[in-house]
Amino acid sequence: EVKLVESGGGLVQPGGSLRLSCATSGFTFTDYYMSWVRQPPGKALEWLGFIRNKANGYTTEYSASVKGRFTISRDNSQSILYLQMNTLRAEDSATYYCARDIAGWFAYWGQGTLVTVSA
Amino acid sequence: DIQMTQSPASQSASLGESVTITCLASQTIGTWLAWYQQKPGKSPQLLIYAATTLADGVPSRFSGSGSGTKFSFKISSLQAEDFVSYYCQQLYSTPYTFGGGTNLEIK
Repeated sequence: EVKLVESGGGLVQPGGSLRLSCATSGFTFTDYYMSWVRQPPGKALEWLGFIRNKANGYTTEYSASVKGRFTISRDNSQSILYLQMNTLRAEDSATYYCARDIAGWFAYWGQGTLVTVSA
Repeated sequence: DIQMTQSPASQSASLGESVTITCLASQTIGTWLAWYQQKPGKSPQLLIYAATTLADGVPSRFSGSGSGTKFSFKISSLQAEDFVSYYCQQLYSTPYTFGGGTNLEIK
């Protein structure tokens, strides 16, 4: 069974940093692209970026809204996906989801972890 | 970036009725479109991919159509559990943009 479990969310001050984790199981982690998606309270989903699979060199792509501030990485030995978030702003407050694709489609999602950026 | 314009933002309907949601892409995306259902406090669930293909285990009252820039998502014979939120997403090119969402409400 495919499982994705996010952790690491919480309250952080503006300008601060936070690292989210997505622990995975039930599949060969290195075979898949992994994405991060966020959703501010009561608002729409926003794709943040992905990290490619082993066959594609684990390279990354980001949305413009987080490029340069957020970094996606993966620990393939432990099947964990990370999202390092720096210089956080109030507008980064959201539930953050990790997602795994099947043939490019986001078929599996974690339960989400809430990040609140506030003084 | 490809913009996804989803409409309506909210819609009221009765049990047993049919509803249709539309997504317009700002440029052609072929059939690289997915539809998700999201229940309150839960993560999104993939319902339809490649514009028309039902994901595993999804009831046949859900359907999708379209290609290029105009896409539709239909729920036939609404059930009580269908009154939640729905999103389209294009996966033609990064950034993989979502529509603004549609909130279905019981009339």
